Amino acid sequence: QVQLQESGPGLVKPSETLSLTCGVSAHSITSGYCWGWIRQSPGKGLEWIGSVCHSGLIYYNPPLQSRLFISVDTSKSQVSLNLNSVTAADTAVYYCARTSEGSGSYTDYWGQGTLVTVSS
Amino acid sequence: QSVLTQPPSVFAAPGQRVTLSCSGSGSNIGGSSVSWYQQVPGTAPKLLIYQNNKRPSGIPDRFSGSKSGMSATLGITGLQTGDEADYYCGTWDGSLRAVVFGGGTKLTVL
Repeated sequence: QVQLQESGPGLVKPSETLSLTCGVSAHSITSGYCWGWIRQSPGKGLEWIGSVCHSGLIYYNPPLQSRLFISVDTSKSQVSLNLNSVTAADTAVYYCARTSEGSGSYTDYWGQGTLVTVSS
Repeated sequence: QSVLTQPPSVFAAPGQRVTLSCSGSGSNIGGSSVSWYQQVPGTAPKLLIYQNNKRPSGIPDRFSGSKSGMSATLGITGLQTGDEADYYCGTWDGSLRAVVFGGGTKLTVL
């Protein structure tokens, strides 16, 4: 059973950088999947942020692309998220997720989520 | 405004069958397979259906999925109070080059 665990600050100031890390266990992060992030603003729906895939391809949600960097550290089995110049609109529960690649994409494993609040 | 369209809420009685709809366009549902997720408030979403109609291990056969053209449907039979949750559809959008979700449907079993 794949396990994903997010960690990082729960409070970030406006204009600063939101940084989260996800530890992956019980599965090789180098196997053929994509690893990334999905978020959910309070009371709202799901918003895909982006993924780094085993194929080497990286996909970012276009509205976030200019502020976003997602990386995979295979030696540590970790996935990282950096989102800069944050505003209150970036306040959300952030989920680490494993997603299959391609047009048949689906997300089969999710972390428990971590709430990040953007406020001064 | 979500790329995929889902009704905000659906109400049904225990034991009944309900269908939840998800509509999109040729660049998303029309060209890619659809997945469905169940989210109980305060918890992470759970995969219910993938590649239009496949169930992951552990998902009961009360849950089913189908796709036709640019729309998809999640069916739930023998409704239970434990099925009360938010349900989201998702797929790949080839034009946006992004995973897209519907706005979610809140299912109330009463």
